[in-house]
Amino acid sequence: DVKVTQSSRYLVKRTGEKVFLECVQDMDHENMFWYRQDPGLGLRLIYFSYDVKMKEKGDIPEGYSVSREKKERFSLILESASTNQTSMYLCASSQSTGGVEYGYTFGSGTRLTVV
Amino acid sequence: TQLLEQSPQFLSIQEGENLTVYCNSSSVFSSLQWYRQEPGEGPVLLVTVVTGGEVKKLKRLTFQFGDARKDSSLHITAAQPGDTGLYLCAGGGGGGSNYKLTFGKGTLLTVNP
Repeated sequence: DVKVTQSSRYLVKRTGEKVFLECVQDMDHENMFWYRQDPGLGLRLIYFSYDVKMKEKGDIPEGYSVSREKKERFSLILESASTNQTSMYLCASSQSTGGVEYGYTFGSGTRLTVV
Repeated sequence: TQLLEQSPQFLSIQEGENLTVYCNSSSVFSSLQWYRQEPGEGPVLLVTVVTGGEVKKLKRLTFQFGDARKDSSLHITAAQPGDTGLYLCAGGGGGGSNYKLTFGKGTLLTVNP
């Protein structure tokens, strides 16, 4: 069964801490994504990567950075956590074929609370 | 900026009823997907449609892609409590980025026993 695995289901961090969210996929997918999901705002794209060591900003990259040193692993870093980064974080991967995106596989999410 | 508008935002129905959820945009997409998300979990892909006018069926769920590839609908027949969840549509290929999806905000469906 193909999988996207996020390292933690729940995290509680203090304001100002550096936070690492890890995501690993076992499908050999080229594309990986980080979203946050908040009530009323839907899914918002933070960063994405279409190849190893490549990254592109999404719609809300401020306060975040990413790392993709290996194809299967995409890490999201909160440089200095703030309370407005309390959210559900979702990682996804995909493999576009012939220029068509056939759909993402999502992880189960990490619910991050910053206190 | 591409937008996908979903309607209704919220839907509460009784078991056995039929329902339709809509996903509309002014942009043309090369593919359109539907996902279902349960509380505390990530979205799960239900279907992908890529051809204008395409209809796909998944048991009691029927998905349609509009002829102009700008809109889609999801119809559920004889809804069951297990259908409860957040339904998200997502379009791919709009604006020249083939792998970056545009998501709607979702329709929260509750099916009461």
